[in-house]
Amino acid sequence: KAGVTQTPRYLIKTRGQQVTLSCSPISGHRSVSWYQQTPGQGLQFLFEYFSETQRNKGNFPGRFSGRQFSNSRSEMNVSTLELGDSALYLCASRYTGQETQYFGPGTRLLVL
Amino acid sequence: DQQVKQNSPSLSVQEGRISILNCDYTNSMFDYFLWYKKYPAEGPTFLISISSIKDKNEDGRFTVFLNKSAKHLSLHIVPSQPGDSAVYFCAASLMEYGNKLVFGAGTILRVKS
Repeated sequence: KAGVTQTPRYLIKTRGQQVTLSCSPISGHRSVSWYQQTPGQGLQFLFEYFSETQRNKGNFPGRFSGRQFSNSRSEMNVSTLELGDSALYLCASRYTGQETQYFGPGTRLLVL
Repeated sequence: DQQVKQNSPSLSVQEGRISILNCDYTNSMFDYFLWYKKYPAEGPTFLISISSIKDKNEDGRFTVFLNKSAKHLSLHIVPSQPGDSAVYFCAASLMEYGNKLVFGAGTILRVKS
């Protein structure tokens, strides 16, 4: 079974731009969560989607948003990029009723 | 508020010996704990997990121990291999939080051959 896939793997943007990252969960997984990893803050939870609904949100500004489609694929969007948004963005999927989350390889975002 | 703590930034172990990675948590309501292994610029790879109703779980060379009274868990790797060199993250979740994972800061494990 294929793992979680994320596109693109690398991205360079400038301040003020917006970016959209994509995540395809493991087949059969309906829950998708997003995390941000930075050297200073570590791995932090952004939000979780299940059946196209956001179920939980971390402590991030409204510039960070996401959505989930009927096939469970998810996108996250960051608007008005700031230098501090440079990070590794990770997507994880989970099978309904199970607690283990499986991570994708991440998207490395660099904001200049 | 750092609810999950890994107080050792790094650990160096000789090949073939035991590696013990530690993790402390403050929220007694956490009901599930996981260990992930991570290489730079890659996503975390799931290693092993334990429910709060258990105190031990084994999977091959990996064993996780949970001490609820001390709010402490540890990951034992026996025997350690050079390929185990990576960053290890402890994570905790709570159904009430909607399965949001709270991560520790990570411990860099270096296994010397």
